[in-house]
This record gives sequence, C-alpha cells and structure tokens, in this order.
Amino acid sequence: RKEVEQDPGPFNVPEGATVAFNCTYSNSASQSFFWYRQDCRKEPKLLMSVYSSGNEDGRFTAQLNRASQYISLLIRDSKLSDSATYLCVVNDQRGSYIPTFGRGTSLIVHP
Amino acid sequence: NAGVTQTPKFQVLKTGQSMTLQCAQDMNHNSMYWYRQDPGMGLRLIYYSASEGTTDKGEVPNGYNVSRLNKREFSLRLESAAPSQTSVYFCASSGTRIGTYEQYFGPGTRLTVT
Repeated sequence: RKEVEQDPGPFNVPEGATVAFNCTYSNSASQSFFWYRQDCRKEPKLLMSVYSSGNEDGRFTAQLNRASQYISLLIRDSKLSDSATYLCVVNDQRGSYIPTFGRGTSLIVHP
Repeated sequence: NAGVTQTPKFQVLKTGQSMTLQCAQDMNHNSMYWYRQDPGMGLRLIYYSASEGTTDKGEVPNGYNVSRLNKREFSLRLESAAPSQTSVYFCASSGTRIGTYEQYFGPGTRLTVT
C-alpha cells in the first residue's frame, strides 16, 4: 500500500466551482501535513500547511482527519489560474522529518 | 533572497558521462534534499542531508552520490549516466522551525541521457 495516496484526476471544473481533493496516508504516527501546488514543468511550491484544527487561506481550506488518516483541500470560487497539480505531503518523524509526497491531483479549471 | 538555486537548468549527456548538479540555498536551512520527478511517478527522494556533515540515502539512491559541501550547498553527482536517469531533478531545503518543516524547492534541472 502506498504511504500517501491521491486521486490523480484530472478534475475538470468550470470557473467559479468548488472542488475538493482528499489525500490518505498510512502512517498513523505522521507528524505534519502540507499541500503543495505544482505548475507544469515548474517546481512544487508550498500552498498551505494543514493544522489539526483546520485552516483557511482565502479561497483555500485544508482539513486534517487523524482518525480516518486523511487530509483534504477545498478550493472555492475556482479561477483559471488554479489549474495545476496539487501535491499532498506527509512528514514522518524519522529523525529528520523526511517528507513523503503523493503523486498529485490534477485540476483543470475551464471558462 | 534567492531561495534555492540550481545549476544547470538543462543538460544533455551521453551514456557513461558524468556530471554534478549544484544546489545552494540562502535561507540558513539545516536540511537539504535531492529528488527526481518522472511522469506518473511523482517526486522520489534520492538523497538527503539532515544537517551539515551528514547525508543519507532516500528511496532511489543507486547511481548517484552527494556532497554536503557546507550549510548552503548540496551537490548531486552522476558518475556514469544511464538513460534511466533522464528526469527532472529538484533540490529542496527545509528549516528547523519545530512542527513545520515545509520545504522550498529550486527550479529544477532537466537532464536527458542519450
């Protein structure tokens, strides 16, 4: 079983739509969680950290469910510029906080 | 603040040639990482350095060596390039702010081995 799993998509949504992605992880001792965004042929960039209490940054909301071992990302009022691949990242405490990346979920926002 | 820089941006090698990918960060981060990204495979960790003076293997270390030259610089060497090493290589660094450990990536090196 993969340590971090994501639906690869693509999720094809119209502008203005609300879209949600989930990411499941297998290690119940995982310590920290992030969502990254990666544009085509570019480096991943941190979108937001995911806190136990959930957190929101503008149109983006991230949630953590430790009991079911998943994190989620909700994007409201989708923009064309949100089209990208969204990577889920889970850090395990193996002395150096080595991150494990999901393979990413592709989002395409169309007019 | 340049963040994480990588050189070169593009490289074409013939099978058996060697090269070194350079990475530097100016954020005073302790940890640095090398990844490769192939279509459909996601990011795979090659080597990492938790702190200056230490290096450890990641998921796919075969065919690579690394050097943590100082706190700022972490290089990746391919001793004898193979077509299977055609990929995009990303360097990343992370700080030591407890509870976070988010990573910052360089722009990548696109390597083709023919």
